Amino acid sequence: KAGVTQTPRYLIKTRGQQVTLSCSPISGHRSVSWYQQTPGQGLQFLFEYFSETQRNKGNFPGRFSGRQFSNSRSEMNVSTLELGDSALYLCASSLGREFNEQFFGPGTRLTVL
Amino acid sequence: AQSVTQLGSHVSVSEGALVLLRCNYSSSVPPYLFWYVQYPNQGLQLLLKYTTGATLVKGINGFEAEFKKSETSFHLTKPSAHMSDAAEYFCAVSEGSSASKIIFGSGTRLSIRP
Repeated sequence: KAGVTQTPRYLIKTRGQQVTLSCSPISGHRSVSWYQQTPGQGLQFLFEYFSETQRNKGNFPGRFSGRQFSNSRSEMNVSTLELGDSALYLCASSLGREFNEQFFGPGTRLTVL
Repeated sequence: AQSVTQLGSHVSVSEGALVLLRCNYSSSVPPYLFWYVQYPNQGLQLLLKYTTGATLVKGINGFEAEFKKSETSFHLTKPSAHMSDAAEYFCAVSEGSSASKIIFGSGTRLSIRP
């Protein structure tokens, strides 16, 4: 069974631009969660989508948004990029039920110049 | 609000020695606790989790952790370190029964000396 895939793996943008990251979950998984990992703030939960609806949300500004499609694939969008948005963005998928293990993708490394 | 504190950002042990990575949590409700491992340039992999029941939890790769409510701890141990154990380890707690919103500790980098 294929794992969680994230595209692109690396991305370089400049301040003020916007970016879209993509995550394809494991087949059959309906939940996709997004995390931001930085050396200063560590791993922080962004949001979770389940059956095309946002089910949980972390404490990030509205510049960070996401969506999920009917095939469970998810995209995350960051608008008006800031230098501090440089991070590894991880996506995780699960069946979406209680205590289900989350399976993480390799991440997208975003650098904002 | 729930939180996790990992004591020691870097731990170094000799190959074959005991591995002990410390984790303390703060929670006003019964916590669900996890340990994840991250190898360089990779995502996170679940080592083990505690939800309810037996307080000693066994995971993959020979790791185990014990939930101690009185000490609010969930330390990770492995009797004998292997070179392949070198990685970053994250302790985490979930908010409520939904394991989708996970609060991570700051991580502990484990180095193994030959």
